[in-house]
Amino acid sequence: AQKVTQAQTEISVVEKEDVTLDCVYETRDTTYYLFWYKQPPSGELVFLIRRNSFDEQNEISGRYSWNFQKSTSSFNFTITASQVVDSAVYFCALSEVNRDDKIIFGKGTRLHILP
Amino acid sequence: SQTIHQWPATLVQPVGSPLSLECTVEGTSNPNLYWYRQAAGRGLQLLFYSVGIGQISSEVPQNLSASRPQDRQFILSSKKLLLSDSGFYLCAWSGSGRSYNEQFFGPGTRLTVL
Repeated sequence: AQKVTQAQTEISVVEKEDVTLDCVYETRDTTYYLFWYKQPPSGELVFLIRRNSFDEQNEISGRYSWNFQKSTSSFNFTITASQVVDSAVYFCALSEVNRDDKIIFGKGTRLHILP
Repeated sequence: SQTIHQWPATLVQPVGSPLSLECTVEGTSNPNLYWYRQAAGRGLQLLFYSVGIGQISSEVPQNLSASRPQDRQFILSSKKLLLSDSGFYLCAWSGSGRSYNEQFFGPGTRLTVL
């Protein structure tokens, strides 16, 4: 069965520190997709990244980077030089191909960036 | 470009009253549409999804229902609200036919049932 675990419920770091949000997933399929979303205080979920199971290359986008490791079923998200505007709830999610177009979300990690 | 709208933004309703939340998408055709609920401080719960007009799949048994009267319109309804229906309701869309398509979310409706 599909499952996404975000073990960190809440994290607080001081501004400019680096922070990593963990995501571990379970799937029986060999083809699947992983996502990260950001939910700022306004409530709307913002899509950040999609990664397919055949592409383990790490990705960097500005201060954001993602580390996908199939061997440990993890898709971790790192924010470098954090800023107060990064404060939000971050969701990791998983979608298996041919499973009714549904995405399974983790329970989210609430990130507080302290000034 | 594609946009997704939800209204109302906030709603306060008494227990037992009816509910109708609307979601519309612009700039795309034949999208997959989704309704999620997020209870306070909790994760996202998928309530309904639709792959086409009149096609609704329910994920969780409850006193809510959904309808898709038009290609880009998705409505969440209830005949009688319960206290437990309070929460943040999010509508989302994705491209049709592929589960790898990321979902894009609307601004949400914050519902309080008193």
